[in-house]
Amino acid sequence: QQQVKQSPQSLIVQKGGISIINCAYENTAFDYFPWYQQFPGKGPALLIAIRPDVSEKKEGRFTISFNKSAKQFSLHIMDSQPGDSATYFCAASSRDDKIIFGKGTRLHILP
Amino acid sequence: KAGVTQTPRYLIKTRGQQVTLSCSPISGHRSVSWYQQTPGQGLQFLFEYFSETQRNKGNFPGRFSGRQFSNSRSEMNVSTLELGDSALYLCASRGGGSSPLHFGNGTRLTVT
Repeated sequence: QQQVKQSPQSLIVQKGGISIINCAYENTAFDYFPWYQQFPGKGPALLIAIRPDVSEKKEGRFTISFNKSAKQFSLHIMDSQPGDSATYFCAASSRDDKIIFGKGTRLHILP
Repeated sequence: KAGVTQTPRYLIKTRGQQVTLSCSPISGHRSVSWYQQTPGQGLQFLFEYFSETQRNKGNFPGRFSGRQFSNSRSEMNVSTLELGDSALYLCASRGGGSSPLHFGNGTRLTVT
C-alpha cells in the first residue's frame, strides 16, 4: 500500500514533442505528490509538486495532472528539449511521513 | 544558502568492512532522510531523523543505522558490508510538514 508505481521505465521523445510519465498510488492518506528531476552525478531536485485539492498544476513547460478517484498522477513536459534529458521520479507522502518514490523514468530527448 | 553537503563523494570498501557516511543539511532544516539509489530499485527510503530522533524507518536490515547530532548533521553507518550494498547513498533535508526534500549529490559506495 506504500508503493508508488511509475511508468514507463524509459522514454525517447523527439525535440519539441510531449513527454508523458505516469504514476499510480494506493494509499489514500497521501496528500503531497512531488516530481523530482535528476541529472547524472547529481542528487534529485524538486521539479514541481501538487496536492490532491487541485486537478492540475502548471509551471512553464511542466504540468502535473492529478486524478484523485483513479489514484493516478502524471507529468507532462511540453515542447521537450534535449536539456530535459534526465531521470524523473514521482513521489508521494502524507504529512510528516516518509516520501515514497517511484522507480524512475529515464527520459531521452532526441535533438 | 548552502545546499545539502555529503562526504565523501566516493568510497571503495571490501566485503565485511564497515563504512560511515556524513551529511550536513541546509541551515535551519531539522529533518534529514537517507535513501539508497540503485539502477534497478530506484530510490529506497532508509530512515529519517528529526531533532536527533529517528522518526521513520524503511525496510533495511539492522546493518544500516544512522544518527543525528544536535546541529542536525547526520551520519549513516553500514556494518559488515555486502556486495549488494554498492549504491549511491543520498541524503536529503527538509523543513516542517510535507515540504520538499532537498538532496545532496550523494556518496557513491562500491563494495568489492
